[in-house]
Amino acid sequence: GAGVSQSPSNKVTEKGKDVELRCDPISGHTALYWYRQSLGQGLEFLIYFQGNSAPDKSGLPSDRFSAERTGGSVSTLTIQRTQQEDSAVYLCASSTSPGRNTEAFFGQGTRLTVV
Amino acid sequence: AQKVTQAQTEISVVEKEDVTLDCVYETRDTTYYLFWYKQPPSGELVFLIRRNSFDEQNEISGRYSWNFQKSTSSFNFTITASQVVDSAVYFCALRPTGGFKTIFGAGTRLFVKA
Repeated sequence: GAGVSQSPSNKVTEKGKDVELRCDPISGHTALYWYRQSLGQGLEFLIYFQGNSAPDKSGLPSDRFSAERTGGSVSTLTIQRTQQEDSAVYLCASSTSPGRNTEAFFGQGTRLTVV
Repeated sequence: AQKVTQAQTEISVVEKEDVTLDCVYETRDTTYYLFWYKQPPSGELVFLIRRNSFDEQNEISGRYSWNFQKSTSSFNFTITASQVVDSAVYFCALRPTGGFKTIFGAGTRLFVKA
């Protein structure tokens, strides 16, 4: 696609439920990133993919969070047993290759509200 | 450790005023990239500029200009003759050359009033 696409754009879920957030990166971008932005805060790094591998998962807040990427393209971020503190905007970004003279392009995010 | 500090949480100016957004960073890497992104109310981060740590030349793009000073670890962003459409949250970010993790500052919310 022309840009990074994230779905859903908004998600309201009950505490304790599982949610899946989807990211479609720009075609041909090998690097994919997930960030979390809590209300009024900066961006918190969650995880990075190079192809289908995740060399760095250090930013995932707890074992309730997991992510996968298939076919070097679509990525899914899963949050199990959601808690109210998980409420935030989850942003996905992609770039052609890490460490090169490239910037990341961001999607519009998924706004997650846990009630 | 790497860190990006944007000390200004919110700035409010009147249209046509000039405004400078501050960014100070910390890194032990000898080479790195610095970025500025704009996040308008729609939420999508828009890339504005990338600067390589080797290149300390200031850059001007229309009403936007950037002042990179390695000696003070600062990468400040100036908007000249601000417009209402400049109202957004602006993020400064850092990434080591050869690395993948981009560290963002907390952002500066800019309000430009007509």
